Amino acid sequence: GQNIDQPTEMTATEGAIVQINCTYQTSGFNGLFWYQQHAGEAPTFLSYNVLDGLEEKGRFSSFLSRSKGYSYLLLKELQMKDSASYLCAVRGGSYIPTFGRGTSLIVHP
Amino acid sequence: DVKVTQSSRYLVKRTGEKVFLECVQDMDHENMFWYRQDPGLGLRLIYFSYDVKMKEKGDIPEGYSVSREKKERFSLILESASTNQTSMYLCASSLQGPSNQETQYFGPGTRLLVL
Repeated sequence: GQNIDQPTEMTATEGAIVQINCTYQTSGFNGLFWYQQHAGEAPTFLSYNVLDGLEEKGRFSSFLSRSKGYSYLLLKELQMKDSASYLCAVRGGSYIPTFGRGTSLIVHP
Repeated sequence: DVKVTQSSRYLVKRTGEKVFLECVQDMDHENMFWYRQDPGLGLRLIYFSYDVKMKEKGDIPEGYSVSREKKERFSLILESASTNQTSMYLCASSLQGPSNQETQYFGPGTRLLVL
């Protein structure tokens, strides 16, 4: 089976930096995804990591350490519109992604 | 742009009714998925399909069935709706292949209330 753990809720201030962690235990590993989901909307793809290291995409970066079963999503220069849920999903040996429970990020002025 | 559409945004049904949720994607994706999303539980996979007429059970298939008669369409069926099936239902599709192109594209969701 697969186990994915991420914090339930985080708060941060506009303009700041926030790091959302995700730890996982899977049988096999074929990539880790981060999705953003605004309230009442569908999840949208943010990033994909399959090799160790940091992937940067504008204000968002995602890091992976396969040996530690660990990833984080880093959001810089936070904006109010970044208030959303952030979902970590791991694709194990079956190639079917399993989702964590999501982290609700609240950005306040 | 990939487009995944779901037949209804909101649906109210009575206990015991048969419910059909339809999902259509326009990008010729092989894989299609049905999830339900509940507060505190995240996204849970009900069924998925990797080809026409093929289906595989996910983590919580009980009480549900699916149909994939055409590549672009994947239907979720609640044979006899129960109140514990009140939830947000999300459909997704993806290409096949072990690359980042296999990112899933989600539909807008159907919020189902069973009374």
